[in-house]
Amino acid sequence: GPKVLQIPSHQIIDMGQMVTLNCDPVSNHLYFYWYKQILGQQMEFLVNFYNGKVMEKSKLFKDQFSVERPDGSYFTLKIQPTALEDSAVYFCASTPGLGGYEQYFGPGTRLTVL
Amino acid sequence: QQKVQQSPESLSVPEGGMASLNCTSSDRNFQYFWWYRQHSGEGPKALMSIFSDGDKKEGRFTAHLNKASLHVSLHIRDSQPSDSALYFCAASEPDNYAQGLTFGLGTRVSVFP
Repeated sequence: GPKVLQIPSHQIIDMGQMVTLNCDPVSNHLYFYWYKQILGQQMEFLVNFYNGKVMEKSKLFKDQFSVERPDGSYFTLKIQPTALEDSAVYFCASTPGLGGYEQYFGPGTRLTVL
Repeated sequence: QQKVQQSPESLSVPEGGMASLNCTSSDRNFQYFWWYRQHSGEGPKALMSIFSDGDKKEGRFTAHLNKASLHVSLHIRDSQPSDSALYFCAASEPDNYAQGLTFGLGTRVSVFP
């Protein structure tokens, strides 16, 4: 079936540094999401991105976060600067439309901020 | 308080047996529900969605939704070792899919021979 890829699978960085998480969504999908899962907690919605713009974001999507998908390449989540509380697994998802469409998830990127 | 609550936290089922998972929402805006399954090292994959009251069957999987109580269940018939995974219930508002899905903590299912 359709697959969403995420690069890298693990990332370890020092607090205050910038990090970019990359997502290769399903090729004909139009809506892209990032979710955050802290160890032992539920997965939580961060942001929805469509047509080059953020459609919706949650309160977890801090000012230090940004998303983009330049020229149909990777859909990226950038955190600058990182904080200790950003340590989590970040999942990317894509879907062809809004409504009752299945969201296809990548395997996640585990981010550790030291 | 979590808006989507799942029970039990974990479940052991004999191969060939029936697994029953429960999910309840505390938010009346959540009317649409999904069941996702996640195997170790992979991302969650949708099993099925249910938007209307009653039962929905897909192969060995049957979901049941009661909108009045905001309770949804998933039953896995003839459980197989490959069904061993983490199962998530997720909910969304019918008119606001852009807000993404709200997930529960998950139920870990183990199928033993």
